[in-house]
Amino acid sequence: GENVGLHLPTLSVQEGDNSIINCAYSNSASDYFIWYKQESGKGPQFIIDIRSNMDKRQGQRVTVLLNKTVKHLSLQIAATQPGDSAVYFCAENPMEYGNKLVFGAGTILRVKS
Amino acid sequence: SQTIHQWPATLVQPVGSPLSLECTVEGTSNPNLYWYRQAAGRGLQLLFYSVGIGQISSEVPQNLSASRPQDRQFILSSKKLLLSDSGFYLCAWSDPTYSNQPQHFGDGTRLSIL
Repeated sequence: GENVGLHLPTLSVQEGDNSIINCAYSNSASDYFIWYKQESGKGPQFIIDIRSNMDKRQGQRVTVLLNKTVKHLSLQIAATQPGDSAVYFCAENPMEYGNKLVFGAGTILRVKS
Repeated sequence: SQTIHQWPATLVQPVGSPLSLECTVEGTSNPNLYWYRQAAGRGLQLLFYSVGIGQISSEVPQNLSASRPQDRQFILSSKKLLLSDSGFYLCAWSDPTYSNQPQHFGDGTRLSIL
């Protein structure tokens, strides 16, 4: 797969623990945010999104929190499993960009069994 | 349901050779289409963006071009590849019907230039 890991921060968690991946976004005008999961050699896979009129949204085993005051986004994964090991990207949609997204650099999540 | 296909999955090309990568989307009409490049250990860089047939916006100056000959077909091309064109190329689509829609990605083409 892709030779990821040279420049990305890494989060290592024990299987069964909860994971929290953080993202600082840059544009205070952004009104839409997405988390993606990318496994080695594959394209990013949509996990969950949130609009700026919300501060929390829950999915299956995942929760996204948005703090617009400090321009911070987080992804919480409950009961982390080995299959959760991947690179996670946040993306923001600045309103003036139309339908284009700005992606963060990514965080590697390693799950230890 | 909608699907997106990219091919080839991997490609090894000599410097100076031409390039054609293809992306097709099924199950939706008039999608927004995107080409990204991802360098090893990096995030995604938007290269091209299209809202319709023949409508292409280039995001960064480069050695590549894009075309959209049909509604659900997006092609990335180059006349002469450079070493710096190596990378992982990703195509994505989004639904233009409403604002704030996620982009959905194909599984990419890994391009190596020798």
